[in-house]
Amino acid sequence: DTAVSQTPKYLVTQMGNDKSIKCEQNLGHDTMYWYKQDSKKFLKIMFSYNNKELIINETVPNRFSPKSPDKAHLNLHINSLELGDSAVYFCASSQDGPPPQHFGDGTRLSIL
Amino acid sequence: GNSVTQMEGPVTLSEEAFLTINCTYTATGYPSLFWYVQYPGEGLQLLLKATKADDKGSNKGFEATYRKETTSFHLEKGSVQVSDSAVYFCALSDSSGGSYIPTFGRGTSLIVHP
Repeated sequence: DTAVSQTPKYLVTQMGNDKSIKCEQNLGHDTMYWYKQDSKKFLKIMFSYNNKELIINETVPNRFSPKSPDKAHLNLHINSLELGDSAVYFCASSQDGPPPQHFGDGTRLSIL
Repeated sequence: GNSVTQMEGPVTLSEEAFLTINCTYTATGYPSLFWYVQYPGEGLQLLLKATKADDKGSNKGFEATYRKETTSFHLEKGSVQVSDSAVYFCALSDSSGGSYIPTFGRGTSLIVHP
């Protein structure tokens, strides 16, 4: 059973499009995260939710909007995609707040 | 602000060699420290942690000791295997000022040859 699953695994799209990445965890954790990993493996936190409430909202363009319909799901919607958005996006979860304990396998986003 | 500095990689070793990956940190409070491992094509996994000075975290033959005096948390393993080839991330979580934003280092790639 996959603990943290995110879809799609690969996302190739044109500049200016809107896309969503979905994440689900079956661990019963109360905290979920979105991280961006660039081509040099640098990992930067974007958002964190605790029991559907936003607790971390780093300096991220407002084209990125997280949504947590319940504590097992945290989706990421991106509007007006730009070349610089190309990266691997990781969803993660933990119990009782940071740091993240389990990561998904990542979504590789490529902007053409 | 908080920061984590790791040695640059890649670190290339032969199987059964001794591994050390250096990690130092700066933090305004009393952080908890962590090592994560990322195997090719996968997400990060929490490898080990230490929550206070002189604590030693250990898992799967890896260990790291929280050294407050040198602000370090170096990762060690006595005998590496080819399957240990991965990227290793040092991280801290500091609750001072009410912020729990976890901070990651830039990762150190380890390549183990048979």
